Amino acid sequence: AQSVTQLDSQVPVFEEAPVELRCNYSSSVSVYLFWYVQYPNQGLQLLLKYLSGSTLVKGINGFEAEFNKSQTSFHLRKPSVHISDTAEYFCAVSAVSGGYQKVTFGTGTKLQVIP
Amino acid sequence: DSGVTQTPKHLITATGQRVTLRCSPRSGDLSVYWYQQSLDQGLQFLIQYYNGEERAKGNILERFSAQQFPDLHSELNLSSLELGDSALYFCASSVAYPNPGSGELFFGEGSRLTVL
Repeated sequence: AQSVTQLDSQVPVFEEAPVELRCNYSSSVSVYLFWYVQYPNQGLQLLLKYLSGSTLVKGINGFEAEFNKSQTSFHLRKPSVHISDTAEYFCAVSAVSGGYQKVTFGTGTKLQVIP
Repeated sequence: DSGVTQTPKHLITATGQRVTLRCSPRSGDLSVYWYQQSLDQGLQFLIQYYNGEERAKGNILERFSAQQFPDLHSELNLSSLELGDSALYFCASSVAYPNPGSGELFFGEGSRLTVL
């Protein structure tokens, strides 16, 4: 079984300040890791992904995340946020189970950027 | 544009009615996932299909059913609708395992269901 925990349901941050959205996962097998963003009244879109290789991955809109296997974490960071980053962010883990790919999402973190 | 098409975008109906939501996955994607998103329960996984076969079930009510057709499009049927079924229903698709990155999901824009 696999699970994803996003401890922060809401994160308020001032514009141009840095932000970190936390994600921890558990799985008994190797995983792929993803962050998705959902802007108001839109579907989810991929922000970045970790499949293999370098543990620091860069995504769209200046976001990056670091895969830490020992801590089973995949925290999302941005050094300076903009108003347009206000959205809900979902962490997801994917692993093979029973011969097919199983995807599990966290409960989401709402990022509110304050002017 | 993710390449995943969902219809209808908006649907208003009454309690007790039945509706069908349709999803066309990206060209070549064999897996289709359905999710329900509501204000009080967040993003909930409903069901997954792979090449026409049901692969995984989540928090899907017995009043709901789904299927994936030979042309790979999928339909989610919601019956005996209740006020609490009002939500955004998303479809997503992915490439087939064991393609690299096969866990990446491509989401449609959703079907917003309002039950009055």
